[in-house]
Amino acid sequence: GQNIDQPTEMTATEGAIVQINCTYQTSGFNGLFWYQQHAGEAPTFLSYNVLDGLEEKGRFSSFLSRSKGYSYLLLKELQMKDSASYLCAVRDPGAGGFKTIFGAGTRLFVKA
Amino acid sequence: GAGVSQSPSNKVTEKGKDVELRCDPISGHTALYWYRQSLGQGLEFLIYFQGNSAPDKSGLPSDRFSAERTGGSVSTLTIQRTQQEDSAVYLCASSQDHTGELFFGEGSRLTVL
Repeated sequence: GQNIDQPTEMTATEGAIVQINCTYQTSGFNGLFWYQQHAGEAPTFLSYNVLDGLEEKGRFSSFLSRSKGYSYLLLKELQMKDSASYLCAVRDPGAGGFKTIFGAGTRLFVKA
Repeated sequence: GAGVSQSPSNKVTEKGKDVELRCDPISGHTALYWYRQSLGQGLEFLIYFQGNSAPDKSGLPSDRFSAERTGGSVSTLTIQRTQQEDSAVYLCASSQDHTGELFFGEGSRLTVL
């Protein structure tokens, strides 16, 4: 089976740091993605982890622990425009190839 | 094209009618996905095409849903005898191959009255 869990909502203050956690249980694993989705828009790619450890890209970092089935997305120096949903997704080898399965997403509200 | 293109952007239909949603992926991308997103919810996997392999249809919610991909490019998602619970945004995404990130279209918003 496949299960990807994230908190439903988080609130943080402009300029602060926020960590969004994701835990997953999938029949297979071939990488974990984070996507950002603003209201009414399509998701856009933020990060990709396939090996354990931290990947840093500007204000955004993503961490993966395969043994724990755990990832987090770290957002630093929060800006109002970071208010969006953050989607954790796992690529799972399936019968027809490697399909990407999404969690329900975490809605982040950044307040002044 | 420059990005993933979906049409129509909005579709309002009556319960019981059939609808077709179209996706034109990024040129050269071999993988194509359809997802469904209800208001305030996450992305529900529907179907996945990878090259010439048989598609993974494991996410299709009922036999009223079907999809095809012609010539390894354009895909059509068909919903027969639409029901009100089919109302959602249908998102198409493509990736260069099975290893790459997904690029999403703007979605087709379906409303079934």
